[in-house]
Amino acid sequence: DTEVTQTPKHLVMGMTNKKSLKCEQHMGHRAMYWYKQKAKKPPELMFVYSYEKLSINESVPSRFSPECPNSSLLNLHLHALQPEDSALYLCASSLTSSGGANIQYFGAGTRLSVL
Amino acid sequence: KQEVTQIPAALSVPEGENLVLNCSFTDSAIYNLQWFRQDPGKGLTSLLLIQSSQREQTSGRLNASLDKSSGRSTLYIAASQPGDSATYLCAVRSTGGFKTIFGAGTRLFVKA
Repeated sequence: DTEVTQTPKHLVMGMTNKKSLKCEQHMGHRAMYWYKQKAKKPPELMFVYSYEKLSINESVPSRFSPECPNSSLLNLHLHALQPEDSALYLCASSLTSSGGANIQYFGAGTRLSVL
Repeated sequence: KQEVTQIPAALSVPEGENLVLNCSFTDSAIYNLQWFRQDPGKGLTSLLLIQSSQREQTSGRLNASLDKSSGRSTLYIAASQPGDSATYLCAVRSTGGFKTIFGAGTRLFVKA
């Protein structure tokens, strides 16, 4: 099983809403990632969790708040977003965050629209 | 700072052709390079991963090569099929900071 599950698949929210994106994997991976992908652009790394600890934060605005409650789950809490935050949000996982043999497996993404 | 470039940006070929997609990167201090496929509006599917110590990897009709010293990788697709139509992305994981940097992708269209 190489599945990374993301929910919801689609999300529409207003600029004053609070919502959360969820990501789950049961492959025993200890590194999990959030990426943001705008239309016709490559994915851009937002956060990396390694062994449930935040190891990389790519200067993402504080209106995005990641959380890793356990080794299988990764959340992205959203608050006071802007229309320019509308994008496809991708979650990925790999066995660890370092080393050359770590394949990253991606979920199908959550398409977020901020009105 | 690692930069990843993919050429061509788009490619249209008739079914059955063999084709090569190119990926170049500026910093050779990498852990690995991974090729992905992305269908419109979907997530990424991992195709092949080449570790920095390896020269090539093969899976079915796909063959990826890596020349770390020149900062280049190629993805060779044999006997292309309409189902191969998608965007192909290469991603480099650098040793500094363990970050993964993606190229902008090559949009491939295989005509039946």
